[in-house]
Amino acid sequence: GQQLNQSPQSMFIQEGEDVSMNCTSSSIFNTWLWYKQEPGEGPVLLIALYKAGELTSNGRLTAQFGITRKDSFLNISASIPSDVGIYFCAGRGSGGSNYKLTFGKGTLLTVNP
Amino acid sequence: GAGVSQSPSNKVTEKGKDVELRCDPISGHTALYWYRQSLGQGLEFLIYFQGNSAPDKSGLPSDRFSAERTGGSVSTLTIQRTQQEDSAVYLCASSPGTRDIQYFGAGTRLSVL
Repeated sequence: GQQLNQSPQSMFIQEGEDVSMNCTSSSIFNTWLWYKQEPGEGPVLLIALYKAGELTSNGRLTAQFGITRKDSFLNISASIPSDVGIYFCAGRGSGGSNYKLTFGKGTLLTVNP
Repeated sequence: GAGVSQSPSNKVTEKGKDVELRCDPISGHTALYWYRQSLGQGLEFLIYFQGNSAPDKSGLPSDRFSAERTGGSVSTLTIQRTQQEDSAVYLCASSPGTRDIQYFGAGTRLSVL
């Protein structure tokens, strides 16, 4: 089945620093999504990417859909304490089961004020 | 409420007991998903409902797990004869249709003692 490798597993940074995390897939995806999960909550969608090479921003967040369609990255600029949480990438392939999302294991982000 | 609602938020049970977890999707959303999130892991797909179509149960880990969706709205995930390895957060998501953005509930944290 499809597998997603997300890295790093965790990051501990100082407020104001930039952050980068990425996901790679063993197979091609048609959609890449980035979610954030805070303690006790479900994941919330941050950015959706639908086209190879697409670069999309949402405030201080920027994500890109890799040209090979097997990878994506998320950057957070000028981090603030409320950026703390677990960031998940998720991908959707083609074919009969294209309603399914495959999730990475997440990147735990800690921001030191 | 406007979002996906799950109940209970926490459930502690004894090994061997049955549990029922409930999900109220966003009104009008035809697609509903159940996921399992174990500690430090990504989200594991369990089951998918779309309208009146037969559900995709391919992610259910054993025959102790079952799910229903009544009237195309509320869904119940049932785990029979719970085991300690069933301890996890069970997340429900809904979307307007297949391949649309999934909106998650806050989850039910299940602890099997």
